[in-house]
Amino acid sequence: GQQLNQSPQSMFIQEGEDVSMNCTSSSIFNTWLWYKQDPGEGPVLLIALYKAGELTSNGRLTAQFGITRKDSFLNISASIPSDVGIYFCAGQLNYGGSQGNLIFGKGTKLSVKP
Amino acid sequence: AAGVIQSPRHLIKEKRETATLKCYPIPRHDTVYWYQQGPGQDPQFLISFYEKMQSDKGSIPDRFSAQQFSDYHSELNMSSLELGDSALYFCASSLEDGKQNPWDEQFFGPGTRLTVL
Repeated sequence: GQQLNQSPQSMFIQEGEDVSMNCTSSSIFNTWLWYKQDPGEGPVLLIALYKAGELTSNGRLTAQFGITRKDSFLNISASIPSDVGIYFCAGQLNYGGSQGNLIFGKGTKLSVKP
Repeated sequence: AAGVIQSPRHLIKEKRETATLKCYPIPRHDTVYWYQQGPGQDPQFLISFYEKMQSDKGSIPDRFSAQQFSDYHSELNMSSLELGDSALYFCASSLEDGKQNPWDEQFFGPGTRLTVL
């Protein structure tokens, strides 16, 4: 089945630094989504990308849908302590009998040094 | 704004028991998805429903079943529980709004933590 390769697995950064993470796939997706999950909580949608090449921002977050539709990246600018958590990319296919279930990457665990 | 509601939030069961998890989607959302997340793992898709009909099936064991009711809430029924079923179970909902990509934005509930002893 389809798999997403998300990197890095984890990262420690200094407060105020910029962060970048990405996902790649051997398969094409119609939609890329980025979620943040805090321990014991449900994933929270950060950004949704619908078109190849699309660049979308949400506050300090910027994400892009790769032109080949097989990759996406997420950037966080000027990180703050509350950015700590696990970030998941998710790809989505909408076709035929598939009603859009998500395929998740393995996550990037972000830790910020105060 | 109203979010996805899941109950119970925590559930402890013995092996071979049954469990029922409930999900109440965001008002007006007509599509419900169930995911299972093991410790340190990413969420894995189990099953989804659109307008009360099963729409897609993932890695859901035969011991599990689910349905969506007329008010769009959904229940995940789990029987003959095994130790390996211990996980966080998330429900997500979305709205088919007629756009080109109608099932794009899935909003997740807080999850039910199931522990099987």
